[in-house]
Amino acid sequence: NAGVTQTPKFRVLKTGQSMTLLCAQDMNHEYMYWYRQDPGMGLRLIHYSVGEGTTAKGEVPDGYNVSRLKKQNFLLGLESAAPSQTSVYFCASSFVGGGYEQYFGPGTRLTVT
Amino acid sequence: AQSVAQPEDQVNVAEGNPLTVKCTYSVSGNPYLFWYVQYPNRGLQFLLKYITGDNLVKGSYGFEAEFNKSQTSFHLKKPSALVSDSALYFCAVRANTGGFKTIFGAGTRLFVKA
Repeated sequence: NAGVTQTPKFRVLKTGQSMTLLCAQDMNHEYMYWYRQDPGMGLRLIHYSVGEGTTAKGEVPDGYNVSRLKKQNFLLGLESAAPSQTSVYFCASSFVGGGYEQYFGPGTRLTVT
Repeated sequence: AQSVAQPEDQVNVAEGNPLTVKCTYSVSGNPYLFWYVQYPNRGLQFLLKYITGDNLVKGSYGFEAEFNKSQTSFHLKKPSALVSDSALYFCAVRANTGGFKTIFGAGTRLFVKA
């Protein structure tokens, strides 16, 4: 049981380039989330999904797109990277019921130059 | 609107001493409250949660947290700190009235000195 995995672990992009971050979970969780973590700001929700084929905007969605074509995968795309998107990105998932506590991946460190 | 405050950027404690990491929250309705821990270069790891019932909840690694409705607080505690407890701790809140958003605090860095 791998839990939540993220690829890649590190990436450096030039301004204007695009990329996709992949998140996969093997816990059959319904909900999945993408966050960014910046120093002193905690975690901010970018987009989330409550099930296969559905996505919704979070707190800071501009410049990002997502897709959830399969229940176990949640993709985060950067259409045209900007230096302000330099951050550590975390994917998480949670199951329906209980308190909806979240299970996190190891993160992707992205630098945009 | 939901919000979480962790008033201390850093907490220092000697090994073997009790530790407290503070958290206060604001949410409409009854809250779901969480503590997570983050070790260097790792994702957040769930420690414990409060949904309802006993105000003192116990979690992983000997941690516990006390829910205080009148003070809207959910402080994380441990009776005897270990050097290995040194990490970044996040408090989080989610309203139980619908919606799917969990709000995280800015985090408190815990240093446990040997």
